[in-house]
Amino acid sequence: ETGVTQSPTHLIKTRGQQVTLRCSSQSGHNTVSWYQQALGQGPQFIFQYYREEENGRGNFPPRFSGLQFPNYSSELNVNALELDDSALYLCASRPGLAAQETQYFGPGTRLLVL
Amino acid sequence: RKEVEQDPGPFNVPEGATVAFNCTYSNSASQSFFWYRQDCRKEPKLLMSVYSSGNEDGRFTAQLNRASQYISLLIRDSKLSDSATYLCVVIKAAGNKLTFGGGTRVLVKP
Repeated sequence: ETGVTQSPTHLIKTRGQQVTLRCSSQSGHNTVSWYQQALGQGPQFIFQYYREEENGRGNFPPRFSGLQFPNYSSELNVNALELDDSALYLCASRPGLAAQETQYFGPGTRLLVL
Repeated sequence: RKEVEQDPGPFNVPEGATVAFNCTYSNSASQSFFWYRQDCRKEPKLLMSVYSSGNEDGRFTAQLNRASQYISLLIRDSKLSDSATYLCVVIKAAGNKLTFGGGTRVLVKP
């Protein structure tokens, strides 16, 4: 296992609600990235946090926001949920920002928006 | 045009056969390349990095063609356990995010 954990594993919400997903990175990893994977597609980059600061963002609206804590764990918050937000949300951690460093993925949170 | 494109498949492969598939990328400044494997309803896991000179890991061989902007993955002596979706991943020189292709599904059958 990668040592990256995510909670909850599954979640059902309704349109307009808000959701918070959590990620605990592998020990010693200060960089966490979040991805959205819709069914049948590859993961899409949402944003990345490095030492508690956002360090890069993909093409996602502002209702997708995040935090990283001093212990490098992270949260993804999504406001005003839409049906298209139904997806697998993955977080990945790595020891630093170097492009060559392997990212280790957590098992993901499956979100269903009804 | 998508930044990273893959044939979605599925590639139906007899057990023991060889299968190969490509991934094209649009940004010539891309720096690092990887193949990830994703099993059904699981997270992606790194299969192998792709080096300019090409590299091999057991039955898996990865190649990079910078001139034509594609990478390839070849699987020899396919096993039933090789059935999965193979995701091509590119990292640009200027950024640190992983850009994934849509994945190529491989089904190895007895």
